[in-house]
Amino acid sequence: AQKVTQAQTEISVVEKEDVTLDCVYETRDTTYYLFWYKQPPSGELVFLIRRNSFDEQNEISGRYSWNFQKSTSSFNFTITASQVVDSAVYFCALSEARGGSEKLVFGKGTKLTVNP
Amino acid sequence: DTGVSQDPRHKITKRGQNVTFRCDPISEHNRLYWYRQTLGQGPEFLTYFQNEAQLEKSRLLSDRFSAERPKGSFSTLEIQRTEQGDSAMYLCASSPGHRWGYTFGSGTRLTVV
Repeated sequence: AQKVTQAQTEISVVEKEDVTLDCVYETRDTTYYLFWYKQPPSGELVFLIRRNSFDEQNEISGRYSWNFQKSTSSFNFTITASQVVDSAVYFCALSEARGGSEKLVFGKGTKLTVNP
Repeated sequence: DTGVSQDPRHKITKRGQNVTFRCDPISEHNRLYWYRQTLGQGPEFLTYFQNEAQLEKSRLLSDRFSAERPKGSFSTLEIQRTEQGDSAMYLCASSPGHRWGYTFGSGTRLTVV
């Protein structure tokens, strides 16, 4: 069965600190997709990144970076030099490719508060 | 591209009433998804359409819930005989394909009193 665990319920940092959000997933499938979404206080989920199971390259996009490690079934997200606008709930999600299912299974989210 | 639109943004209804929500996806996206999100939880999958065909339904989608996507354009989600446990944010998303991330709408917040 698919499962996503985000063990950190809430994190609070001071602006300009680096912060890493953890995501651990479970799947029996060899082909799957991992996602991160941001949900600011306005409520709309914003897509940040998609990674497929065959691509273990780390990715950097501006202040954001992602570390995908199949050996530990983890897909962690780091924000460098955090800003107040980064305050949001961040969700990690998993989608298996087998069986034609296209549903995303989300973790419970990590609420990040960046204080000035 | 105006994004995914959902209507209404908020709905308060009395227990036992029927409610219907509408979702307008990004026009070139053939896939449309409904999710439900309760406070402090991640979104949970309800159902998915590819064009007008409903291809997958979650066990969460009881027989009081029905979704349609006539002509593969907008979609409606109806809840009959609402219960207090139906109170949640109902999210719609669309996508050009499974390999791509979804674009979510702002959601419809349902409160059953």
